[in-house]
Amino acid sequence: GENVEQHPSTLSVQEGDSAVIKCTYSDSASNYFPWYKQELGKGPQLIIDIRSNVGEKKDQRIAVTLNKTAKHFSLHITETQPEDSAVYFCAASTNDKLIFGTGTRLQVFP
Amino acid sequence: GAGVSQSPSNKVTEKGKDVELRCDPISGHTALYWYRQSLGQGLEFLIYFQGNSAPDKSGLPSDRFSAERTGGSVSTLTIQRTQQEDSAVYLCASSSNPMFAQPQHFGDGTRLSIL
Repeated sequence: GENVEQHPSTLSVQEGDSAVIKCTYSDSASNYFPWYKQELGKGPQLIIDIRSNVGEKKDQRIAVTLNKTAKHFSLHITETQPEDSAVYFCAASTNDKLIFGTGTRLQVFP
Repeated sequence: GAGVSQSPSNKVTEKGKDVELRCDPISGHTALYWYRQSLGQGLEFLIYFQGNSAPDKSGLPSDRFSAERTGGSVSTLTIQRTQQEDSAVYLCASSSNPMFAQPQHFGDGTRLSIL
């Protein structure tokens, strides 16, 4: 079945710097890749998603890139702010199951 | 509008007791999912409901776990004879589209602690 690996597990950056989180997936049939942000005591919130027919998508300070050949996708956050501190999860779906990565704890220091 | 609502937000119970967790999906969402999130871990799929179709129970870890969805809306996840390893956050999500390849909207979960 599908397996999603996510790196790094923790990431600390200075406010204003960029943060990059990377995920790889195993099932070449995967066609939908959402990213979720989870704050303490809250459920995951969808922040951006990308489909397999698109290589890159951007929404203000957040962007996601997809390399179908290499089966990896990445989340890029520019101009990080303290409120970006949270756990971020990637996921991959094949119209059957949504499989999540193990999460990245991002800390943005002022 | 209202998001996915889960209750209770926290539940502490003794080993061996049964527990029921409730999920109210977003109005009009036909698909409903349950996940389990252990401390510091990712989300583990448990069960999926779509309309009146038979649920996908392939993620349920044992026969102590069951779920139902009444009237295509509210869902209840039941864990019988709870064990300490059942301690986790149980998350519910709903989607407007029956396919997995669509955005899922999560509630804030029920934090279950088994003593």
